[in-house]
Amino acid sequence: EDQVTQSPEALRLQEGESSSLNCSYTVSGLRGLFWYRQDPGKGPEFLFTLYSAGEEKEKERLKATLTKKESFLHITAPKPEDSATYLCAVQGGRAAGNKLTFGGGTRVLVKP
Amino acid sequence: DAGVTQSPTHLIKTRGQQVTLRCSPISGHKSVSWYQQVLGQGPQFIFQYYEKEERGRGNFPDRFSARQFPNYSSELNVNALLLGDSALYLCASSSGIGYGYTFGSGTRLTVV
Repeated sequence: EDQVTQSPEALRLQEGESSSLNCSYTVSGLRGLFWYRQDPGKGPEFLFTLYSAGEEKEKERLKATLTKKESFLHITAPKPEDSATYLCAVQGGRAAGNKLTFGGGTRVLVKP
Repeated sequence: DAGVTQSPTHLIKTRGQQVTLRCSPISGHKSVSWYQQVLGQGPQFIFQYYEKEERGRGNFPDRFSARQFPNYSSELNVNALLLGDSALYLCASSSGIGYGYTFGSGTRLTVV
């Protein structure tokens, strides 16, 4: 069964203090690894999809990378508006169905 | 373009009652998935529908059921509500199996 573990559970940063979030996964036949941002009481907002080891994607202050066992979300010089919960999810091989399996998320708080 | 729309946004029900949640996907998207998110946890897969057929089912009891209509909108039904069914119910749409997923803002269900 597909499994996703995110660490740390919570992260408190000062504005401008760069950091990385970890997403470790076990999956049979990765079809995609997804990063989402979720604000309180809202649905997840799509950030990135990564498909193969070595792939990297960037968007503003965020950069996602992928290896065969984990993915990192790097936040460079964060601002208070980057405060949110960041969710990682995998879509496994066809035998596992078409579902996304999510980790528990990392709650990020950026203080000015 | 309208995103994924869900209704109602909030709902309070009594134990034992039944509830129906509704989702309209992004125009042109034929796949709809349902997820349950308990406070402080990542979303858990409930169902996926594509072209009105069930394509995946998560580990939820038979009290949970869903369907997709010819216009690709979807309903999630939960019977005999339990206190533990209190959660944010998320709908996600996709243009096809294995493509990226866009989430709605969710329906907050509280069972008292």
